[in-house]
Amino acid sequence: GDSVTQMEGPVTLSEEAFLTINCTYTATGYPSLFWYVQYPGEGLQLLLKATKADDKGSNKGFEATYRKETTSFHLEKGSVQVSDSAVYFCALSEGSSNTGKLIFGQGTTLQVKP
Amino acid sequence: NAGVMQNPRHLVRRRGQEARLRCSPMKGHSHVYWYRQLPEEGLKFMVYLQKENIIDESGMPKERFSAEFPKEGPSILRIQQVVRGDSAAYFCASSPLGRGEAEAFFGQGTRLTVV
Repeated sequence: GDSVTQMEGPVTLSEEAFLTINCTYTATGYPSLFWYVQYPGEGLQLLLKATKADDKGSNKGFEATYRKETTSFHLEKGSVQVSDSAVYFCALSEGSSNTGKLIFGQGTTLQVKP
Repeated sequence: NAGVMQNPRHLVRRRGQEARLRCSPMKGHSHVYWYRQLPEEGLKFMVYLQKENIIDESGMPKERFSAEFPKEGPSILRIQQVVRGDSAAYFCASSPLGRGEAEAFFGQGTRLTVV
């Protein structure tokens, strides 16, 4: 079945450092890819998405490009802030059924220190 | 436009009791998804419902768990005879379209603790 694998955390960075969180996927069909962010005690918020190969999703300084050839959707940000500290989830929508059902990676905790 | 509303935010139940979790989707959304998040893990799909219909329940445990989304009122996830292993955060998401490219909007979750 479809699956998502993220790099393990926690990832600890200093403010203004460059961020990369790796995400690779296995899927049949043509899934859409998402990054969600979860702040402590909160639900998930959509950070960005890409619906087809070579699309780049971007929001709030974060970017990710849908790479079909490497089955990857790595999250990047050029300069992180303390307020970016959260758990980040990579997810795909199951392509074969296309019902909007999401398959999530295990999450990567980001800690940004001042 | 209010977001996805889940209640209660926190629920404590003794082993053997029933837990009822409610989810009101965003206005105009007729597609609801339930996910479970165990400690230190990602979210796992449980069930997908459209008004009055269960479309996909492939992630639901075979026993004790049920879900509904009636014509009127919130979606309900019901867990009968809870056990300690049911302790988790349960998230509901709604979408205007039951399709993969559409954004799903998540509620803040219900954190169930079984004692």
